[in-house]
Amino acid sequence: GAVVSQHPSWVICKSGTSVKIECRSLDFQATTMFWYRQFPKQSLMLMATSNEGSKATYEQGVEKDKFLINHASLTLSTLTVTSAHPEDSSFYICSAITIGVGVFGEGSRLTVL
Amino acid sequence: QQQVKQSPQSLIVQKGGISIINCAYENTAFDYFPWYQQFPGKGPALLIAIRPDVSEKKEGRFTISFNKSAKQFSLHIMDSQPGDSATYFCAASISTSGYALNFGKGTSLLVTP
Repeated sequence: GAVVSQHPSWVICKSGTSVKIECRSLDFQATTMFWYRQFPKQSLMLMATSNEGSKATYEQGVEKDKFLINHASLTLSTLTVTSAHPEDSSFYICSAITIGVGVFGEGSRLTVL
Repeated sequence: QQQVKQSPQSLIVQKGGISIINCAYENTAFDYFPWYQQFPGKGPALLIAIRPDVSEKKEGRFTISFNKSAKQFSLHIMDSQPGDSATYFCAASISTSGYALNFGKGTSLLVTP
């Protein structure tokens, strides 16, 4: 079946640094990918829609300059958390749509010290 | 603003029993209703999904019941097993908007031996 891969699975960084998370669709092309954020024991909240070759669409309340999204190819979207702070610590999950089905990556747990 | 309301928040079922999780929505533009299963530290995995043109869909031990007039849908897990213990999320999306998912808050299911 369709697979979406995220890297890294875990990342720990110091406050003030930037972290890049990659999301790849391994066996299909995705013009649109989605980035979600999940706090412990909570639901997934849509952060932004990543569109190949164009600017991402951010949900209300999500800082565009803090969460930079790049969708450079039909199989890769990246999320960069810039100047990370402890409150950015969370589980970040991407998904891609294939034949109308949302396939999720395994998630990336970010811990900012 | 939670567009999909899910209940119960947690559920304990004995092995072999039926687990029932309910969701309700308001936006009549939603036309795709998936259920996802999530284990700790992992991304969500699609279990089963339904569209409004059918009232029920069954795949193995999992059944979705859909009531369009009431704007409600539910997941039934028959013959629940300890391996089904996980968090379940209902979601809804609009296919013409790219399938960005609006998730319920999740139900933590525990199936006891």
